[in-house]
Amino acid sequence: GQQVMQIPQYQHVQEGEDFTTYCNSSTTLSNIQWYKQRPGGHPVFLIQLVKSGEVKKQKRLTFQFGEAKKNSSLHITATQTTDVGTYFCAVHPLSGGSYIPTFGRGTSLIVHP
Amino acid sequence: DSGVTQTPKHLITATGQRVTLRCSPRSGDLSVYWYQQSLDQGLQFLIQYYNGEERAKGNILERFSAQQFPDLHSELNLSSLELGDSALYFCASSGRTGNTEAFFGQGTRLTVV
Repeated sequence: GQQVMQIPQYQHVQEGEDFTTYCNSSTTLSNIQWYKQRPGGHPVFLIQLVKSGEVKKQKRLTFQFGEAKKNSSLHITATQTTDVGTYFCAVHPLSGGSYIPTFGRGTSLIVHP
Repeated sequence: DSGVTQTPKHLITATGQRVTLRCSPRSGDLSVYWYQQSLDQGLQFLIQYYNGEERAKGNILERFSAQQFPDLHSELNLSSLELGDSALYFCASSGRTGNTEAFFGQGTRLTVV
């Protein structure tokens, strides 16, 4: 089955520091999505990456899809306390079949003021 | 507001009992997914329905079943409950715009005592 690994599992940062989480797949992906889940909340879609080497930005967030379409990263510049939450990647393999978002275990970001 | 409605928000029940969780997808979405999230765990895919038919199964126990009705709402039935079934159960829907991002409900927190 589809294997997706997300690292690190937890990350503590001081407010203002940068943060990066990585998502790695064992197979080539059709696309990758990123979601954020605030404490006590539900996952909320952030972005989808489709093309090899694609880079997308949302304010302080930068999302990148690897050239081989097997990995991705989310980078947050100058973290704020509002960035606290768990960031999940969700993948779909290139081999097709029904589209089922398969989630990594997530990276929990803790921002210390 | 994601547009996905889940009821109830909280459920406390005893071991051996049976419960039904309900999900109303976003208007127009044909796909419904059920996920289980345990403490410090990622989102484990359980089952997907598309326009009333079962499309894919994940790590769903035989004690669990689901269905999607003609009005597209879905129910997840959990029976012979065990302490380990305590978790947050999310429903998500997608497909209205042809995109694949999943829109999650607020979840049902199930506690088995």
